[in-house]
Amino acid sequence: EDQVTQSPEALRLQEGESSSLNCSYTVSGLRGLFWYRQDPGKGPEFLFTLYSAGEEKEKERLKATLTKKESFLHITAPKPEDSATYLCAVQPLPLNTGANSKLTFGKGITLSVRP
Amino acid sequence: EAQVTQNPRYLITVTGKKLTVTCSQNMNHEYMSWYRQDPGLGLRQIYYSMNVEVTDKGDVPEGYKVSRKEKRNFPLILESPSPNQTSLYFCASSSNPLDTQYFGPGTRLTVL
Repeated sequence: EDQVTQSPEALRLQEGESSSLNCSYTVSGLRGLFWYRQDPGKGPEFLFTLYSAGEEKEKERLKATLTKKESFLHITAPKPEDSATYLCAVQPLPLNTGANSKLTFGKGITLSVRP
Repeated sequence: EAQVTQNPRYLITVTGKKLTVTCSQNMNHEYMSWYRQDPGLGLRQIYYSMNVEVTDKGDVPEGYKVSRKEKRNFPLILESPSPNQTSLYFCASSSNPLDTQYFGPGTRLTVL
């Protein structure tokens, strides 16, 4: 069974204090690892997809990296508007062409950035 | 604007009163899915649809039904809601099962 563990559960940072969010996963064969941002009362907003170990993607102050066992979301010089819950999800390789490939989500990391 | 919409956004109902939550997407996506989100449990898939008239169970399908008569719409039906179905529900869509899923704004359901 696919599993995703995110740590820490909550993180409080001072504005400008860089840090990393961790997503550890186990999956039989990885099709993709997804990062989403979720604001309170809203739907998850897509950030990144990573497909293979060593891959990195960046968007503004966020940088996602992937190894064979975990992914990190690095936040450089965060601002208060980066406060949100960050969700990680893994998608396994489908069993056959056209089959469903269900996302398994972690519980999320709630990030608070103080001004 | 490309989007997934859900209605209603908030709903308070009583046990046993049938309800439907609508979901619509304007991106011509084939794949649609329903999730529920509960504190400490994360997002869990309820049902999914690979295309019109093709639906299947996810991880937590008990007490729910879906239909996919048109490509753009994927309603979630609770025939006899119970308090344990109180949750935050999200609809999502993607062009195919392997592509990035885009989520709707959510429906907060309370069953008394």
